[in-house]
Amino acid sequence: DQQVKQNSPSLSVQEGRISILNCDYTNSMFDYFLWYKKYPAEGPTFLISISSIKDKNEDGRFTVFLNKSAKHLSLHIVPSQPGDSAVYFCAASLTSGTYKYIFGTGTRLKVLA
Amino acid sequence: DAGVTQSPTHLIKTRGQQVTLRCSPKSGHDTVSWYQQALGQGPQFIFQYYEEEERQRGNFPDRFSGHQFPNYSSELNVNALLLGDSALYLCASSKYQGQETQYFGPGTRLLVL
Repeated sequence: DQQVKQNSPSLSVQEGRISILNCDYTNSMFDYFLWYKKYPAEGPTFLISISSIKDKNEDGRFTVFLNKSAKHLSLHIVPSQPGDSAVYFCAASLTSGTYKYIFGTGTRLKVLA
Repeated sequence: DAGVTQSPTHLIKTRGQQVTLRCSPKSGHDTVSWYQQALGQGPQFIFQYYEEEERQRGNFPDRFSGHQFPNYSSELNVNALLLGDSALYLCASSKYQGQETQYFGPGTRLLVL
């Protein structure tokens, strides 16, 4: 049973435009969410996180939105750059600091120059 | 400051064999978590070690075992290898119940023939 789902396996966006990556979860007990980026031959790199007490968190070009009633979170990248081309994973945990993360299957983002 | 390191980078084994993967955490981190990432999937939590003890475990059989040493480095052992154990094995380190996220190593790619 996939508790964290990323239903879009891939996404292509023009450079300079907005990239929106989506993630749905089923366990209402999750209270901490993260996005990781992964390049080939490298481990996942932390991008941004959000606690369930917030509905938005921003860090530079990256913004994560959380809609608890819909059990949905999204990552917005504005403006998108070719270097953002990677696989993006959303992850969730029951409590921040436990580090037992449940990951989605990933979305491959391609930013076209 | 060295990040998380893993060895070896690649490994080929045959069914029924045993394998040991190694991980050195980022400087200042005392907690190591192991994940298995099968092709096309997100990382799946195997277990976590802190103070040389297994603290949390995911849904993996007893064939998967681990160890943490006094210097915080860790090993993942898999016995009686199956074809389905072929995957990228990721190690992540963190500060126990700390507020910052965990950092991932580049992974060890295991192929079971």
